[in-house]
Amino acid sequence: GENVEQHPSTLSVQEGDSAVIKCTYSDSASNYFPWYKQELGKGPQLIIDIRSNVGEKKDQRIAVTLNKTAKHFSLHITETQPEDSAVYFCAANERGSTLGRLYFGRGTQLTVWP
Amino acid sequence: NAGVMQNPRHLVRRRGQEARLRCSPMKGHSHVYWYRQLPEEGLKFMVYLQKENIIDESGMPKERFSAEFPKEGPSILRIQQVVRGDSAAYFCASSPRGPSTQSYEQYFGPGTRLTVT
Repeated sequence: GENVEQHPSTLSVQEGDSAVIKCTYSDSASNYFPWYKQELGKGPQLIIDIRSNVGEKKDQRIAVTLNKTAKHFSLHITETQPEDSAVYFCAANERGSTLGRLYFGRGTQLTVWP
Repeated sequence: NAGVMQNPRHLVRRRGQEARLRCSPMKGHSHVYWYRQLPEEGLKFMVYLQKENIIDESGMPKERFSAEFPKEGPSILRIQQVVRGDSAAYFCASSPRGPSTQSYEQYFGPGTRLTVT
C-alpha cells in the first residue's frame, strides 16, 4: 500500500513568520492529497487539498504544492497566527482510486509563538 | 448544516466488555470511513462502508471488530471483548459521493476516545 512520510514532527515559529511542512509518498498512482488540521481533543479538519493534475493551490494564507516527479507535496502557511497552532496531517489516497482510503503521515505539531 | 456526529465522545470499558461507537454522517453523505488514531500517530484506515454494504474492510483486525451502516440509522463500529491495546481515538469520516466518481473529500467527526481499563 501507499506510504506517507511527513517532516518535521514539530515546528515552532514566531507569529507572522511562514511555516512549511513536507510530505513524501510512495505510490505514483495516488492522485489526491489532502491536508488536515487537528486541534486538541477535536477531529481532523480538511483545510486544503490538491489533485495530481495541479501543481499548486492557494487559499488565503495557506498553499499546497505538488511535485509528482519527486512524489512530494508541501503545505505552506504564511503570516502565521497563534490560532494556527495545531497538529497538521498530510494524506494520500489509495492506488486505483476506486477505494477511498487515505494514508496519513504521522503529523506535525505546529506552535506559533506570539 | 450539521457536521459528522459521533457518540459517545468518551467511552470507558473494562477488558472483555463490548464497545459500540456510532457515527452519523453529514446530511446527504452516503459513504462512511472509520479510522483509528493511536497517541501521537497518524490516522490508520479501518473500513469503508456505503449504506448496507461493506466496500473495503482491509484495515480491520480479523477478530473482534465489525462495522455496519444500515439503511436507517448511524454507522456502528463494534469491538467485542476489548483489550488494553484497543484504547485509541476512533474517527469516522463521511463523503457525499464515492471515489468511483472522482470525489475523494472526507469530512471527519470529533471522534470517540475509547479507554480500556
